[in-house]
Amino acid sequence: DAGVIQSPRHEVTEMGQEVTLRCKPISGHNSLFWYRQTMMRGLELLIYFNNNVPIDDSGMPEDRFSAKMPNASFSTLKIQPSEPRDSAVYFCASKFGQAGRHGDTGELFFGEGSRLTVL
Amino acid sequence: KQEVTQIPAALSVPEGENLVLNCSFTDSAIYNLQWFRQDPGKGLTSLLLIQSSQREQTSGRLNASLDKSSGRSTLYIAASQPGDSATYLCAPISDYKLSFGAGTTVTVRA
Repeated sequence: DAGVIQSPRHEVTEMGQEVTLRCKPISGHNSLFWYRQTMMRGLELLIYFNNNVPIDDSGMPEDRFSAKMPNASFSTLKIQPSEPRDSAVYFCASKFGQAGRHGDTGELFFGEGSRLTVL
Repeated sequence: KQEVTQIPAALSVPEGENLVLNCSFTDSAIYNLQWFRQDPGKGLTSLLLIQSSQREQTSGRLNASLDKSSGRSTLYIAASQPGDSATYLCAPISDYKLSFGAGTTVTVRA
């Protein structure tokens, strides 16, 4: 079974450019998360979708960041315009279920990440 | 806000030694707790998930314990191997959110 698939694996761009990161969750999973990892701040939750609906976007840094989940098998994280401080590894993760509901083990599976460098 | 602390921050041991990695968290009202491994430049790999009703979980050479009331979890790795070298992250789960510690970076010397 394929795991969480992210693209691109590496992205180098110049300040001010638009960046789009893509994620395909594990088939059958209905919860999707975007995380950002930096040396200084560790892993930070950016946004959480359940059944394609954004449930918690309180971690999205500012209006330059936006995320969509048009269907159960695809999500995007967009940064426009990008800034050097956005340089980080962005992870997508998925799981089945919803907290508190029967069948939700809460086990989260991560993709390999997209390493973004903004010059 | 859940605060997660992992001690030690780094550990270097000779091959064959048993490893003990500690994790503490401030909010004991958690749903589950998950341990991950991260290799350099890679994503997080799930190692063990402990349900809140369990006190421990085992997988091969790995054993993780959970004491919710004291806000602690411990990951034991028996008979360490060079392939166990990685960063290990603890993540207590409250509702849908995982809160991550900074991790313990393990080096196993051959």
